[in-house]
Amino acid sequence: GESVGLHLPTLSVQEGDNSIINCAYSNSASDYFIWYKQESGKGPQFIIDIRSNMDKRQGQRVTVLLNKTVKHLSLQIAATQPGDSAVYFCAVTWGATNKLIFGTGTLLAVQP
Amino acid sequence: EPEVTQTPSHQVTQMGQEVILRCVPISNHLYFYWYRQILGQKVEFLVSFYNNEISEKSEIFDDQFSVERPDGSNFTLKIRSTKLEDSAMYFCASSGTGLANEKLFFGSGTQLSVL
Repeated sequence: GESVGLHLPTLSVQEGDNSIINCAYSNSASDYFIWYKQESGKGPQFIIDIRSNMDKRQGQRVTVLLNKTVKHLSLQIAATQPGDSAVYFCAVTWGATNKLIFGTGTLLAVQP
Repeated sequence: EPEVTQTPSHQVTQMGQEVILRCVPISNHLYFYWYRQILGQKVEFLVSFYNNEISEKSEIFDDQFSVERPDGSNFTLKIRSTKLEDSAMYFCASSGTGLANEKLFFGSGTQLSVL
């Protein structure tokens, strides 16, 4: 079955620094990847997605990189702000299913 | 911005009791989902629902669980006889067309505590 894991459970960064959150997946058939942000007491909030025919996608202050060769996904946050403090989940899906498989989450703590 | 809304935000129940968690998906969405998150763990898929029937369900979604779209706006998850291990945050989600590779929009969740 699919498993999705993150390399670091907690990431602490200084305000203004860039953050990189990593995610590994196991199913080579995975073809759609999403990063969600979850603040305390709230539901997952969509940040950015990428399809398997791309290796990079940029949004506002965020970039997702996909390396299908090693089945690795990363989220880069530029100029991290205190409001970015949250748990970040990667999620993957494949084929015709809409079932998302979530990773275990990385807690991003931004120090002022 | 349209959002998925869930009620109640917190639900406390006694073991063996039935609970119904309610959700109002985004109005023009066609696919609906329930996920759950046990404290400190990852978000887990329970069930997806389209065209008034279940399209996919996980092993967690056993006979104690059921879903329903009783009218044009609500989507409910019923747990018939709650167990202690059902205690979790339950998230409803919806997506526009249900096509593959489409992002899901999540509600803020219902925290279910089974005593």
